[in-house]
Amino acid sequence: AQSVTQLDSQVPVFEEAPVELRCNYSSSVSVYLFWYVQYPNQGLQLLLKYLSGSTLVKGINGFEAEFNKSQTSFHLRKPSVHISDTAEYFCAVSPGQGAQKLVFGQGTRLTINP
Amino acid sequence: NAGVMQNPRHLVRRRGQEARLRCSPMKGHSHVYWYRQLPEEGLKFMVYLQKENIIDESGMPKERFSAEFPKEGPSILRIQQVVRGDSAAYFCASSPRTWDSYEQYFGPGTRLTVT
Repeated sequence: AQSVTQLDSQVPVFEEAPVELRCNYSSSVSVYLFWYVQYPNQGLQLLLKYLSGSTLVKGINGFEAEFNKSQTSFHLRKPSVHISDTAEYFCAVSPGQGAQKLVFGQGTRLTINP
Repeated sequence: NAGVMQNPRHLVRRRGQEARLRCSPMKGHSHVYWYRQLPEEGLKFMVYLQKENIIDESGMPKERFSAEFPKEGPSILRIQQVVRGDSAAYFCASSPRTWDSYEQYFGPGTRLTVT
């Protein structure tokens, strides 16, 4: 079975500062990895995904994530955040090709202060 | 192309009533997933359906909960005799394929409040 741990429940940062949201997973099989963003009272929007190939994945809104197989991590980064990035961020794993359900972490609430 | 649609967006039920949540997948998508998000928690998988078939219901509570995805019409998540603990946001997601159905597109959710 797969599991996902998001190491920080809340991350406050100042506007234009860099940010890293941490995600670790456990799985006995190859996985696909995802980051989703949830704005208040809305559904989830896919930020980026890792399926295979390059371990550095670029997504929307200037976010990127790096897959590290040896550390079983998939941390999300942005070099300079904006007020509009305030949201809840979820890391998720799917156990590979043909599999269906997503296993989500608990979420990290990113708050951007002016 | 319209996204995944869910209705109602907000639903209030008294304890013991039934709740029916609807999900219309994106055009061309034949796979539907339901997830539940309890307050201050992440999303938990409930059930995965294809047209007229339940593929994986390993996350569904054993009693009071059921789901369907008929040949015509939206997918329905039905909760009978609701209790306060059912209060949550219920999200539906859809995907287009089987063998690589890794990318799921989420609806805006239905927020169920049980009073």
